[in-house]
Formats: sequence, C-alpha cells, structure tokens
Amino acid sequence: DGGITQSPKYLFRKEGQNVTLSCEQNLNHDAMYWYRQDPGQGLRLIYYSQIVNDFQKGDIAEGYSVSREKKESFPLTVTSAQKNPTAFYLCAGGLAGEGTGELFFGEGSRLTVL
Amino acid sequence: AQSVTQPDIHITVSEGASLELRCNYSYGATPYLFWYVQSPGQGLQLLLKYFSGDTLVQGIKGFEAEFKRSQSSFNLRKPSVHWSDAAEYFCAVGAGNKLVFGAGTILRVKS
Repeated sequence: DGGITQSPKYLFRKEGQNVTLSCEQNLNHDAMYWYRQDPGQGLRLIYYSQIVNDFQKGDIAEGYSVSREKKESFPLTVTSAQKNPTAFYLCAGGLAGEGTGELFFGEGSRLTVL
Repeated sequence: AQSVTQPDIHITVSEGASLELRCNYSYGATPYLFWYVQSPGQGLQLLLKYFSGDTLVQGIKGFEAEFKRSQSSFNLRKPSVHWSDAAEYFCAVGAGNKLVFGAGTILRVKS
C-alpha cells in the first residue's frame, strides 16, 4: 500500500531521554512535514523539508531535530531539551513549492513521557 | 501572519440533522483552503479543498464548503449527518509552502 508510514504508534520514554520517531513515504513527495497535536490546539508545525538535505524550522522547533538524507524518510528526534514532549505527532507529505498544501498524513505516533 | 479560527470547540447534532462548521481565516493573498477530518487516534483525511473557481466545493462523504471572500470564511456543511461523522474537523489555509490549521471542532452525533 502507498502512503505515509509512521512508527512506532505508541512510545514511552523517561525524562531526559532522546527518542526518534520514524516517518517513511512511498508517494514520491518532495515535501515532508512534522506536526504536533495537543488537545484544543490543533496542529502546530515543528519542521518541514522541501527537498533532500534541506529543512526549515516551523513554529515550535525548539527541542526537536530532523534529518532528510533520503527523499523517502524524514525522522523526528524529540530531545531532552523539549520541556513538554508528551503529545501526538503527525507526519505528512505533499508537493513542494508555493501554493501547494494538500497533505497526506500518517496515522500518528503518540509519545508519553513518564 | 496567517491564521485560522474555528469558533466552535464542540458541536452536537442529532443524526439526520444538518451540520455547519465554521471557519474563518486570515491570509493576505488568495487562499488555498482545506477541510480535514480526524477519527480518534488516527491521522487526518482530506474532505475537500478550494484553490480557485467555483466558491462552492464538493467533497467526500457528502460534505461541501463555501468560500466567502468578503467574510474570510470557509464553512463546512452537510445536509444530513450520520453517526459515523462523529470526529474532529480541522480547517486549514495554505500559507506559502505549508499549512496552518485551526484548533479543530469536535462533532458529536446523538441518536
């Protein structure tokens, strides 16, 4: 099946640990995005990438890092510097460039910090 | 800055009743507008989109939305709600090469 695949679906970590969320796509999309979702706050953009080996900070990038070494993959690392990491994380892919916008989402990863 | 406002956090409707979810946006240029739906614990699915042309847009699952530039609105409607429509709905505006989302509206359907 084609689409955006996120793993793991559920993840628990202790405070002070880094954790990496995987996002893989086989839609041949140039652009990939990471959003964080908290109840009542909608989706907030963490990082996005329009092309391999390039990425930009979104609105809430502090405490997160990403890489884009391959077109198909856009992993997100939640570092120990992120003060409130418990959240639902959504990865998406889409066409790059101005005026685009239709995004295709994965099923999300729920991170809980114990 | 671009922004999206969904004034209603929760809406409850009876099955078979009509539905309207409100969305207002702030964007300087011609907007690209979207409605997405999310079931609990799942990703988002695109319901419909507006890029240009006819201001009344048809989507999947019997939904439609109307773009009103004068009111900066893009409200989502459905003439008859089904219990399976219970979910959270997000309005979004395309801002350059990214999407800006509203806070969402949770739809509850009572039988």
